[in-house]
Amino acid sequence: GDSVTQMEGPVTLSEEAFLTINCTYTATGYPSLFWYVQYPGEGLQLLLKATKADDKGSNKGFEATYRKETTSFHLEKGSVQVSDSAVYFCALSVLGDTGRRALTFGSGTRLQVQP
Amino acid sequence: GAGVSQSPRYKVAKRGQDVALRCDPISGHVSLFWYQQALGQGPEFLTYFQNEAQLDKSGLPSDRFFAERPEGSVSTLKIQRTQQEDSAVYLCASSLGQAPEAFFGQGTRLTVV
Repeated sequence: GDSVTQMEGPVTLSEEAFLTINCTYTATGYPSLFWYVQYPGEGLQLLLKATKADDKGSNKGFEATYRKETTSFHLEKGSVQVSDSAVYFCALSVLGDTGRRALTFGSGTRLQVQP
Repeated sequence: GAGVSQSPRYKVAKRGQDVALRCDPISGHVSLFWYQQALGQGPEFLTYFQNEAQLDKSGLPSDRFFAERPEGSVSTLKIQRTQQEDSAVYLCASSLGQAPEAFFGQGTRLTVV
């Protein structure tokens, strides 16, 4: 079956530090890859996506590159801010026989940025 | 509305009680998903609708869980005879057809006591 593995948290960084959150996946078909973010007290929000190999998704200074050869989609940001403190979820979706594109999520990584 | 709306935001149920959770997707989104998120975990797939048709219910954990979307818009997730292990956040998401990205509601936190 499909699965997503991401690094355990919490990850604690100082403001302006470099961020990497590792994510690897296994999939039965050709997946689309996503990072979702959950800020305190809020719902899941799509942060960025990539739908084919070597695509780079980017948003709000965050980036992730779809690496088919290593089945990875690591999240990076060059300089984190306190406002980036949240839980980050890596996810994939594969188009199934019924036409569904349900998401398979990792367990989430909590990021805490200190001033 | 502009986003996916879920109600209630919080629900406390006594063990054995039936509950109904509502999801109002983004207008025009034909695909609707329900997920269950246990504390400290990622969401897990429960069921999928395309318009009013429930095409996949493979993630429903037991026959106490039932979902419907009779007019292809609003959906209801019903849990009968709730158990403590049903305590979780229930998330609804919608998407345009087979578009890969989905948009999530804020969820309903169910606590069974």
